[in-house]
Amino acid sequence: AQSVTQLDSQVPVFEEAPVELRCNYSSSVSVYLFWYVQYPNQGLQLLLKYLSGSTLVKGINGFEAEFNKSQTSFHLRKPSVHISDTAEYFCAVSGTGGSYIPTFGRGTSLIVHP
Amino acid sequence: DAGITQSPRHKVTETGTPVTLRCHQTENHRYMYWYRQDPGHGLRLIHYSYGVKDTDKGEVSDGYSVSRSKTEDFLLTLESATSSQTSVYFCAISPGSAGGSYEQYFGPGTRLTVT
Repeated sequence: AQSVTQLDSQVPVFEEAPVELRCNYSSSVSVYLFWYVQYPNQGLQLLLKYLSGSTLVKGINGFEAEFNKSQTSFHLRKPSVHISDTAEYFCAVSGTGGSYIPTFGRGTSLIVHP
Repeated sequence: DAGITQSPRHKVTETGTPVTLRCHQTENHRYMYWYRQDPGHGLRLIHYSYGVKDTDKGEVSDGYSVSRSKTEDFLLTLESATSSQTSVYFCAISPGSAGGSYEQYFGPGTRLTVT
């Protein structure tokens, strides 16, 4: 079994400030990790993913995330946010064993203020 | 953008009536999923499919059934809709391990209101 905890349900931040959205997971097997973004009234779209290799992964729109196996974390960061980054962000984990059934966190609402 | 559509996009129905939502893909991906999204709960998996006529239950499958008779179509049926099934429903597709890609691609969602 696997689970995902997004530690903050809402993160308010001012424009051009840095932001970190936290994600912790638990799993008894090796994992793939994902961050998705959902803009209002839209479906989710992939921001970035960790499958293997370098633990620092870069995604679209200037976001990056770091896989920390010892802390079972996959926090999402951006050095300078824009108003347009206001959205819901979801962390997801999937086992590597072939079931491809990801488990999603409950989401973090990023609110960027001018 | 991945070719995935959902129909209808919005539906209002009465308690006790059957409802079918359709997900259609043009990507020939093996895996298809139905989720519901509710405030405070994130995305919860209802059912998924790993091939034609191969489906399995997710964590919130009670009151829902699915069918996949063709690779491109995945239908979600509410046999007798209840107010607790008012939600936004998302379909997703994934190639799984094919091509080394494991992420999901999501449809635009269907907003269902049961009165």
